[in-house]
Amino acid sequence: RKEVEQDPGPFNVPEGATVAFNCTYSNSASQSFFWYRQDCRKEPKLLMSVYSSGNEDGRFTAQLNRASQYISLLIRDSKLSDSATYLCVVNSYNTDKLIFGTGTRLQVFP
Amino acid sequence: AAGVIQSPRHLIKEKRETATLKCYPIPRHDTVYWYQQGPGQDPQFLISFYEKMQSDKGSIPDRFSAQQFSDYHSELNMSSLELGDSALYFCASSLKRTSGANVLTFGAGSRLTVL
Repeated sequence: RKEVEQDPGPFNVPEGATVAFNCTYSNSASQSFFWYRQDCRKEPKLLMSVYSSGNEDGRFTAQLNRASQYISLLIRDSKLSDSATYLCVVNSYNTDKLIFGTGTRLQVFP
Repeated sequence: AAGVIQSPRHLIKEKRETATLKCYPIPRHDTVYWYQQGPGQDPQFLISFYEKMQSDKGSIPDRFSAQQFSDYHSELNMSSLELGDSALYFCASSLKRTSGANVLTFGAGSRLTVL
């Protein structure tokens, strides 16, 4: 079983739709959580960090549930440019490395 | 702003050959990470260096080695290449924080194709 699990999708949604991605992690010692975005054949880019209280950045909202070891990302008013793979990422206390989920592919159509 | 620079961007090698990938971190970043991403796979952590010392090790094959030099650039050396080594190799860098997680910035990657 992978340490970070995501639904691979693809999620095909029309412009303007709201879409939510979920992620679960198995290591209860995980301390920091992120969502990265990766376009095809490009490098992963940090979308947002995920804080315990939940946080919002424009159309993007991230939530963390430590008890359930569950992270979510909500995208409102989807744009064509949101089409990408969204990677759920965690790291454990006292380590530098990031553990990536398999990613969830989003395709926004006109 | 300066980003993480990787070279070469593309590399084609034959089985059993050797390859070296280079990474130049963001200036003043003290930690470098190497990741391998196979086709359709998520990035897999290989190895990291902090202040020129190995800080963590992941699923790096024994045929691979890496180091960080005095100018903080890093090189990933791969020997006895196999077809399965064909992948995108990402380098990332960060500035170590005393609290909270390090935020990694990734380079554009080096695409290795083994024939």
